[in-house]
Amino acid sequence: ETGVTQSPTHLIKTRGQQVTLRCSSQSGHNTVSWYQQALGQGPQFIFQYYREEENGRGNFPPRFSGLQFPNYSSELNVNALELDDSALYLCASRDRNSNTGELFFGEGSRLTVL
Amino acid sequence: EDQVTQSPEALRLQEGESSSLNCSYTVSGLRGLFWYRQDPGKGPEFLFTLYSAGEEKEKERLKATLTKKESFLHITAPKPEDSATYLCAIPTSGSRLTFGEGTQLTVNP
Repeated sequence: ETGVTQSPTHLIKTRGQQVTLRCSSQSGHNTVSWYQQALGQGPQFIFQYYREEENGRGNFPPRFSGLQFPNYSSELNVNALELDDSALYLCASRDRNSNTGELFFGEGSRLTVL
Repeated sequence: EDQVTQSPEALRLQEGESSSLNCSYTVSGLRGLFWYRQDPGKGPEFLFTLYSAGEEKEKERLKATLTKKESFLHITAPKPEDSATYLCAIPTSGSRLTFGEGTQLTVNP
């Protein structure tokens, strides 16, 4: 049990719609990042938030956006959904003050775009 | 470009048949190498962090080792419950992790 919880666990959307995924970080972890994992592939970094600001972004278009709240919970928003957005979306948290650096992942939100 | 490559893509073992998974990496200035286990439809579960060549870490039937170019995850006398996808990752550009594609391990009873 990592203490990172995500919702919803599964959802189905149609192309062009918008989706919001939510994440509650592990207590004391002030850095949250989001990853996209397509079937059969490793997770791909989307972006990271620290102190409610984005401080790192992977190769994803602007229609992928996020928020981090004062209680360290976070949201991932995806606009104008495309079929290729179908994937497992993973939230991960870490303690920025930790000297070990490992990320702790939630169980993920499985998004299917039809 | 920072890169992580895992092999084999899939590995099928009989219970008790020991083997190793490989993770080769290219990065300027290694700041750690992470191993994760991922069960189907679940998030990755942290296993080990290795920081320097020659370092080894063990957990139950798993032992991870690190050289200057690659890491190995040795599985000794595996059991069916060890079946999972094993991912390795390195931190690149800040604290983001770059993952390999994973090795899907199946252990048959």
